[in-house]
Amino acid sequence: GAGVSQSPSNKVTEKGKDVELRCDPISGHTALYWYRQSLGQGLEFLIYFQGNSAPDKSGLPSDRFSAERTGGSVSTLTIQRTQQEDSAVYLCASSAAAGILGEQYFGPGTRLTVT
Amino acid sequence: AQKVTQAQTEISVVEKEDVTLDCVYETRDTTYYLFWYKQPPSGELVFLIRRNSFDEQNEISGRYSWNFQKSTSSFNFTITASQVVDSAVYFCALSADNAGNMLTFGGGTRLMVKP
Repeated sequence: GAGVSQSPSNKVTEKGKDVELRCDPISGHTALYWYRQSLGQGLEFLIYFQGNSAPDKSGLPSDRFSAERTGGSVSTLTIQRTQQEDSAVYLCASSAAAGILGEQYFGPGTRLTVT
Repeated sequence: AQKVTQAQTEISVVEKEDVTLDCVYETRDTTYYLFWYKQPPSGELVFLIRRNSFDEQNEISGRYSWNFQKSTSSFNFTITASQVVDSAVYFCALSADNAGNMLTFGGGTRLMVKP
């Protein structure tokens, strides 16, 4: 079956612009995660959605970052007023089960470059 | 707070050598899961294994084996008879029951297997 998909695969934007990154989880997966992978910080958790519960936003680095998950499926990560330090690969993962029991399947990522 | 340390940032071996990737973790939770992921040059994180904190039995899967020792908070990964296709970055990760379900990753170990 289809895995987690993300779009775009690459995004180059100018400093100060807003960007939207999209994640399509595996069909039927209730949990969705966003992570960021950058040279200086490694792999960091950003936000977690589980079903209809309020998302866990504890990993978002600033209020310029936000995410939505519509209809319990597709998620969009939005970065407003991008800065150069936002340059990273943004990874989305989904899992079928809630909590730590769920094995997370990762998408290919979106490479964001802020110039 | 959760923390995962992979002290080896880069390892280089010659094909057919055995290699062990170290992982040390910190958590105050008694219920947690440990993971290993492989990130090949293509960039997509590939799940390798998940162990729960109550199961210290070592596991072998083909050329891969894992040694989980709670006494030393370690979850080491050994590749036997390494192959060039094993070249990748390997991440150890932790998910704890009371830590919001997200994965806390180590910094990764880049393994280079030379022919």
